[in-house]
Formats: sequence, structure tokens, C-alpha cells
Amino acid sequence: GAVVSQHPSWVICKSGTSVKIECRSLDFQATTMFWYRQFPKQSLMLMATSNEGSKATYEQGVEKDKFLINHASLTLSTLTVTSAHPEDSSFYICSATTGHLNQPQHFGDGTRLSIL
Amino acid sequence: GENVEQHPSTLSVQEGDSAVIKCTYSDSASNYFPWYKQELGKGPQLIIDIRSNVGEKKDQRIAVTLNKTAKHFSLHITETQPEDSAVYFCAVKSSNTGKLIFGQGTTLQVKP
Repeated sequence: GAVVSQHPSWVICKSGTSVKIECRSLDFQATTMFWYRQFPKQSLMLMATSNEGSKATYEQGVEKDKFLINHASLTLSTLTVTSAHPEDSSFYICSATTGHLNQPQHFGDGTRLSIL
Repeated sequence: GENVEQHPSTLSVQEGDSAVIKCTYSDSASNYFPWYKQELGKGPQLIIDIRSNVGEKKDQRIAVTLNKTAKHFSLHITETQPEDSAVYFCAVKSSNTGKLIFGQGTTLQVKP
């Protein structure tokens, strides 16, 4: 159980385009979803926290107009990288949790984003 | 601010040997401590977690020990196998924000 599916796994696009990444909890209801960014050989950096039906809360230094997050249902959250540029190239990973006290976060397999 | 330190950054062991990774944290009120394994090109996978009401938890070849007084916890992998090779992250759930704070990661290499 506790499967989180992330799509697409890999995307290459031209500078200036927008890219949408989906994160789905397949067998549980995710009250809270998180979006992380990971650079090579580094740890996970939290970008934002989204609760179903509410606006996302962004970490300091993360541009909310650049990284649009929607969490409209208990099983789906999306991250849209708007007007992407080469510096946005990275590995983006989502995680989901039921939100109950000390319940684990389960991660998707990440999306490798390359902006040309 | 809240901080998690993880050591070592790299660890190389011979197949069959044990591996130990240690994390220290600063938030004395934290009470949830998961460990994740990340294989190349994939997302982190939860392998074991411990809550502060216990001092040790074991799942087959994997165990985690927690010392709340000293604010450190460790991952123990016994009888290591080549497929254990990966990056391992410890994490601490912040008592203030509820968010996970991750360690820097340990690259474990198990040599056959």
C-alpha cells in the first residue's frame, strides 16, 4: 500500500514553456502533499506544502508565481513550472501523507525536468 | 533553526558486513524519525521509521535506534547485500512546523 505515482518521469522542453507535473496517491487519501526539489548529490529541498482545498504554503525563496501548485482533490496535486528556464532544470519529487499524526510521507519517483 | 546532521557522507562496506549511519538533531520536542533509501533516478523510499516512545525498532536486516536524551538516532543494516547500495536519508519531523527536515544523505556502497 501507500503508493504515490508521479508523472511524467522525464520531460525536456524549450525555454519559455510551462510544464505540469502530476502527483497522485493511488491507494490512500492524501490530505497533505509536499513538493521537493533535488539537485545532484544533494538532499531534498522542500519547495511547498499543499493541503487539499487550500492554497499552497511556499518555503522562503520559492517563487509562488513560478511554481504553481494545485491540490484540488485528496488524490491529486499538480506542480506547474511556468515560463521555465534552464536554471529550473532539476529533479522534482512529490510526497503525500494522510495528515494524521506521525503518519509517514510517501514519495513519488520524481520528475527529471530539463529545459533547453 | 532546526538542524539534522548525518554521518558519514559516504560508506563503503564488504558484502555481508554491517553498516551504521548516524543522525543528530536539535529539536528536542521532535517525536518522529523516518529513514529513506533513494536509488539512482528514483524517489526516496521509506524503509523504517521510529517514534519517540520506543528506543529501537527492527525489520529483518534493518534496525533503527533512538536516543532522545542525546538527540541522535542510527540506522543499522546487517548482512549487507549489493542491492543495499543507495543513498540513505534520515529525517526528523519538526515539532513546530510538522515538516520533515532531512539529513545530508549517506552514499552506501556494498562491494560484492
